[in-house]
Amino acid sequence: ETGVTQSPTHLIKTRGQQVTLRCSSQSGHNTVSWYQQALGQGPQFIFQYYREEENGRGNFPPRFSGLQFPNYSSELNVNALELDDSALYLCASSLVAASGAPQYFGPGTRLTVL
Amino acid sequence: AQSVTQLDSQVPVFEEAPVELRCNYSSSVSVYLFWYVQYPNQGLQLLLKYLSGSTLVKSINGFEAEFNKSQTSFHLRKPSVHISDTAEYFCAVSASNSGYSTLTFGKGTMLLVSP
Repeated sequence: ETGVTQSPTHLIKTRGQQVTLRCSSQSGHNTVSWYQQALGQGPQFIFQYYREEENGRGNFPPRFSGLQFPNYSSELNVNALELDDSALYLCASSLVAASGAPQYFGPGTRLTVL
Repeated sequence: AQSVTQLDSQVPVFEEAPVELRCNYSSSVSVYLFWYVQYPNQGLQLLLKYLSGSTLVKSINGFEAEFNKSQTSFHLRKPSVHISDTAEYFCAVSASNSGYSTLTFGKGTMLLVSP
C-alpha cells in the first residue's frame, strides 16, 4: 500500500510568482486536505477536496486554490506569492470526508519565498 | 469553531522516565481528538485517536491518552520514554458535526529525550 506522496520536496520562489504543489493520495482514499505549517506552528487547514469538488475551506485568501483529479490526486496553487507564504505545505488523505476519519499525511513540500 | 492549547512548547525528560504532554481544547460542539507525531523533516504520523467509547486510548508504541470531557483535555502519557520518542507532538480536534474532516491543531510540544 502506497502512502501519501508530495512533490516537489523543496521549492524556492520569489515574491509575486505562482507555484503549484502536487499530492498523490493513499490508495483507496477519495478525500484530500491541504495544510500550511509555518515554522514553529501547528498545521493550519487550507481546504479539502472530495470527489473533485472543494468540500471545505479554512481562512485563506482566494489566491490559494486547488484541484482534485479523477484519480484523487490533488494540486495546490498559490498565486502572487508573499513572503509569509514560506512554510511547509502538507497534504493529507482520508478514506472518507467524514469528520472523524483519520487523516494520513505526506512528507510535505517546503516552500521558501524570497 | 474549535481551538487547541498545548501548554508546553518543550518537555525535556531523561530516558526511561515517564512523560505527560498536555492538551486542552475548546469547542461548542462535540469533538473527535487526535495526537500526531512529527519527526524532523517529516510529515505528521497519526499516533492515536478518540472517536467514541472508552475514554482511554492506546497506541502500539506505548503511548496512551485519556479524554476528559469535563476538563476538556486529552493529555498524552507514556510511562517510560526512549531516545527514539524525541519528536514534535501535535494535539488536534475535529468537530463531530462537521461535513468534512478538517483538523484544528495546537502549536505542538517538542519532546526532548536525553540519555
